[in-house]
Amino acid sequence: SAVISQKPSRDICQRGTSLTIQCQVDSQVTMMFWYRQQPGQSLTLIATANQGSEATYESGFVIDKFPISRPNLTFSTLTVSNMSPEDSSIYLCSVDVAGQGCCEQYFGPGTRLTVT
Amino acid sequence: QQQVKQSPQSLIVQKGGISIINCAYENTAFDYFPWYQQFPGKGPALLIAIRPDVSEKKEGRFTISFNKSAKQFSLHIMDSQPGDSATYFCAAGGHYGGSQGNLIFGKGTKLSVKP
Repeated sequence: SAVISQKPSRDICQRGTSLTIQCQVDSQVTMMFWYRQQPGQSLTLIATANQGSEATYESGFVIDKFPISRPNLTFSTLTVSNMSPEDSSIYLCSVDVAGQGCCEQYFGPGTRLTVT
Repeated sequence: QQQVKQSPQSLIVQKGGISIINCAYENTAFDYFPWYQQFPGKGPALLIAIRPDVSEKKEGRFTISFNKSAKQFSLHIMDSQPGDSATYFCAAGGHYGGSQGNLIFGKGTKLSVKP
């Protein structure tokens, strides 16, 4: 498994501003993922972030709104840009530690974002 | 074709009883089927997972049953305890259509175990 931490754990932001969420893993991993979970809902994949390559975004999510950095094998950031109340959600990062095949993912504790 | 359908949406079980949650999928390219447990305010925790080469996997009180021909899998929680009260998500994953090993999640089941 892996130990994953996220910062901040929660934040309240004003509309039109941006927030950068950090995800730190205690071991080197190739694949990291960013998810959004709206209150009481399931998890929706935003993008896959592999070190050394551009993030791959899922349908409905764009780089201008959710830019991602992956500077090394233990760290990634997700920025939620130009926020609106509809962005209020829990943002989760996960890592795939299986090493081969897929898809054994472990999740961080999440960042609870409220946009006013 | 990428959906994972989960039922029931909510479940109430008496302490000591068996909790059963079901999931169905369409894409035969999926080859990894995990269950996650999520408590309020926490991230999902990987509970147990199965690959299609076996029909059942048991870890403690938790068992996954897998029916490849029916494209269904289920989670059984034996001797359910109040501490099991949480939301459970099934998921399916694999390398398909350019996916890099993504997981597709069901909508979740909120389990309440009454003492």
